[in-house]
Amino acid sequence: DGGITQSPKYLFRKEGQNVTLSCEQNLNHDAMYWYRQDPGQGLRLIYYSQIVNDFQKGDIAEGYSVSREKKESFPLTVTSAQKNPTAFYLCASTLTGTGGSGYTFGSGTRLTVV
Amino acid sequence: QQPVQSPQAVILREGEDAVINCSSSKALYSVHWYRQKHGEAPVFLMILLKGGEQKGHEKISASFNEKKQQSSLYLTASQLSYSGTYFCGTTTTMDSNYQLIWGAGTKLIIKP
Repeated sequence: DGGITQSPKYLFRKEGQNVTLSCEQNLNHDAMYWYRQDPGQGLRLIYYSQIVNDFQKGDIAEGYSVSREKKESFPLTVTSAQKNPTAFYLCASTLTGTGGSGYTFGSGTRLTVV
Repeated sequence: QQPVQSPQAVILREGEDAVINCSSSKALYSVHWYRQKHGEAPVFLMILLKGGEQKGHEKISASFNEKKQQSSLYLTASQLSYSGTYFCGTTTTMDSNYQLIWGAGTKLIIKP
């Protein structure tokens, strides 16, 4: 079955560390996204990518970096510059160029600073 | 601008109906609806496109009023499984499906 796989499910980061969250999809979707969700809050866009080797900053890109070397993969690195990274991180994907199609989300990674 | 969802929260008894609204200050091309259960990822429910028909199944449906720039999600004879937070996401043009603008969410609690 097609879908999006995020790993790990839980991640603990020490102060000053960089950590990378994995996101892989086998839906042949063009666009991929990273969102951050804080408890009881909505979705805030970190980065998105419409095609391979191209990505755009979202509303809260500071302290994060991404790459899109393959259509299927869109990893997110939370750098030490992100001072408050504890949150639920969601990866999503969708088709583009169709005028409208739903987003498919991964199951998320819960990141905690220790 | 972020679309405005109302109400922010609603508590119902099983079997009651609910309406969740999503309003924008901008002309809309599409409105998406998603449901997120606690601790899980959002799940796509439906999309409504400008000029399209009202969508949905027997008990969960939605409308899109292009003139009012508003969409409403209707949950009929609610079940316990309908509990969760409902988010709308909007786009303003046909080409902007790649970047949804999300509402803040409406928390729906269904009690037995």
